[in-house]
Amino acid sequence: GAVVSQHPSWVICKSGTSVKIECRSLDFQATTMFWYRQFPKQSLMLMATSNEGSKATYEQGVEKDKFLINHASLTLSTLTVTSAHPEDSSFYICSAMSPRQGFNYGYTFGSGTRLTVV
Amino acid sequence: AQSVSQHNHHVILSEAASLELGCNYSYGGTVNLFWYVQYPGQHLQLLLKYFSGDPLVKGIKGFEAEFIKSKFSFNLRKPSVQWSDTAEYFCAGRDTGRRALTFGSGTRLQVQP
Repeated sequence: GAVVSQHPSWVICKSGTSVKIECRSLDFQATTMFWYRQFPKQSLMLMATSNEGSKATYEQGVEKDKFLINHASLTLSTLTVTSAHPEDSSFYICSAMSPRQGFNYGYTFGSGTRLTVV
Repeated sequence: AQSVSQHNHHVILSEAASLELGCNYSYGGTVNLFWYVQYPGQHLQLLLKYFSGDPLVKGIKGFEAEFIKSKFSFNLRKPSVQWSDTAEYFCAGRDTGRRALTFGSGTRLQVQP
């Protein structure tokens, strides 16, 4: 079945540094990927929609200069948290639209990245 | 605005008890609805989804959900839970004009042996 690999699983970084998170579709081509942020005991909040070969579409309130998304190939999307601050500490999850029959496409999720900024 | 709400935040059941987790949505038009499960330390896994047709949807692991349009609901059910069902459950929705899913706040299910 469709598999999405997300790396790293966890990362600790110092304030002011940048962190890159990768999301790869292993056995299918994903023209569209999504990045979510999940706070403890809360739901997944959509940050942006990543489209292969074009600019990402950010949700209202998400700083595009802080959360850089690049979707340069059909199997890889990256999220870079720039100049990280402690309030950026969170669980980040990527998701890819996996191909199915016609309109009934599905979604495959990565295992998430726990970011801690100290 | 599109929204999905789950009113049960934490549910504790004994093994063999029946389960029903509530999910309500606010979409006005055609909607696709999903239930996902997240076991500790693992990624979200699809339990079942509704696109159209029979409003009673059968999923994996013995779960089912019923789409009731008049009540804007898509509740998840299982007749007899097991300890291994302990996990976080998320309801999610999508209308046909948007590709991304909107998630509910999640329900933590704890099944006691």
